Amino acid sequence: NAGVTQTPKFQVLKTGQSMTLQCAQDMNHNSMYWYRQDPGMGLRLIYYSASEGTTDKGEVPNGYNVSRLNKREFSLRLESAAPSQTSVYFCASSRTWTEWSQPQHFGDGTRLSIL
Amino acid sequence: DAKTTQPNSMESNEEEPVHLPCNHSTISGTDYIHWYRQLPSQGPEYVIHGLTSNVNNRMASLAIAEDRKSSTLILHRATLRDAAVYYCILRPHAGGTSYGKLTFGQGTILTVHP
Repeated sequence: NAGVTQTPKFQVLKTGQSMTLQCAQDMNHNSMYWYRQDPGMGLRLIYYSASEGTTDKGEVPNGYNVSRLNKREFSLRLESAAPSQTSVYFCASSRTWTEWSQPQHFGDGTRLSIL
Repeated sequence: DAKTTQPNSMESNEEEPVHLPCNHSTISGTDYIHWYRQLPSQGPEYVIHGLTSNVNNRMASLAIAEDRKSSTLILHRATLRDAAVYYCILRPHAGGTSYGKLTFGQGTILTVHP
């Protein structure tokens, strides 16, 4: 049972390059999320998709775009990467947005370095 | 939004109980208390959650103060695999811009000694 799968696991970019981080879940969850985690800090929400066909901004959306491709997949795109976007990116999913009792399930992260 | 305060780090010996405290003095009536942990080089993992009553599951126990201004995550017998960062999170159950969201603080780094 794969859960939440993120690709790639590691990536190095040059400033100004673009890239899409991929995320897929096999738990039939409705809601999906993208977080970033900087060294020594907790996770911060970038964007989320409460259900297929909807996306909303989180705490730190600037410099990112997202696409909810279908129920399983939620991608995060950096159009013009900047060194400040060097971080570990986590994708998560949950059964629904509104059921407080439903935990979020996280992938193992994409470690992104921008030079 | 209500905030949580946790110690930066704690240490324990293997097979001993661990009590991880969390203060949330500004908690509102619609906030549920969630705990997640993050093992090295992995994404966060759900541990337990509660509202007012103490809760038990296969991973841990959650003790919630009567006034809900603090809570304690209890690992009954720590193992080396429990070494992780533990996050105490208030998750709004209704209303406001934070509805449904998980807001992670810096957490408590738990070190378990053999």
